[in-house]
Amino acid sequence: LAKTTQPISMDSYEGQEVNITCSHNNIATNDYITWYQQFPSQGPRFIIQGYKTKVTNEVASLFIPADRKSSTLSLPRVSLSDTAVYYCLVGDIWPGGFKTIFGAGTRLFVKA
Amino acid sequence: SQTIHQWPATLVQPVGSPLSLECTVEGTSNPNLYWYRQAAGRGLQLLFYSVGIGQISSEVPQNLSASRPQDRQFILSSKKLLLSDSGFYLCAWSTYKKGSYEQYFGPGTRLTVT
Repeated sequence: LAKTTQPISMDSYEGQEVNITCSHNNIATNDYITWYQQFPSQGPRFIIQGYKTKVTNEVASLFIPADRKSSTLSLPRVSLSDTAVYYCLVGDIWPGGFKTIFGAGTRLFVKA
Repeated sequence: SQTIHQWPATLVQPVGSPLSLECTVEGTSNPNLYWYRQAAGRGLQLLFYSVGIGQISSEVPQNLSASRPQDRQFILSSKKLLLSDSGFYLCAWSTYKKGSYEQYFGPGTRLTVT
């Protein structure tokens, strides 16, 4: 499974756009790129997933270049409640289903 | 709607004691199930995953084991706990939904081995 590399931590202010970039040089053809959010003492929560180009939903956008060796999660106008750990992971679509490996994540601090 | 349950929520166990953590999923059939562990301040480590009853794959060799006696039940066990087994244990299931493969996590069990 492809490994991911992302910044350990990031700081931002309320109302700003935050972009978190993840590197996954060994991504395989069947791998999807997924981002999760985790608050302390809770399980991770799905944010967004993509395979290539750009994906947007009600909470975030995901930008994936043509070579798919990196991806960028974009959070528009963050608030204090967006302070959390954000995980970038690549998912292996295997015959039995879907398996992902979590990296260390990026700890985002949103300040007032 | 689908829900995932884990119990107990917290557990304090002495070194050398056995362990049994249970996870059940409602509202879906034949889910892929996963056990993760998260040490304090660290990322999630995949321990086991299962694609069906009695089918268990281990990601990391250790003194833990997993079983899936029923379609929507996943159990994590140990015969003798080590201090290093302390952590936050999360059960998850995955599904294909609206063009995406998603994992849904349970509330977790915080295990402290003393």
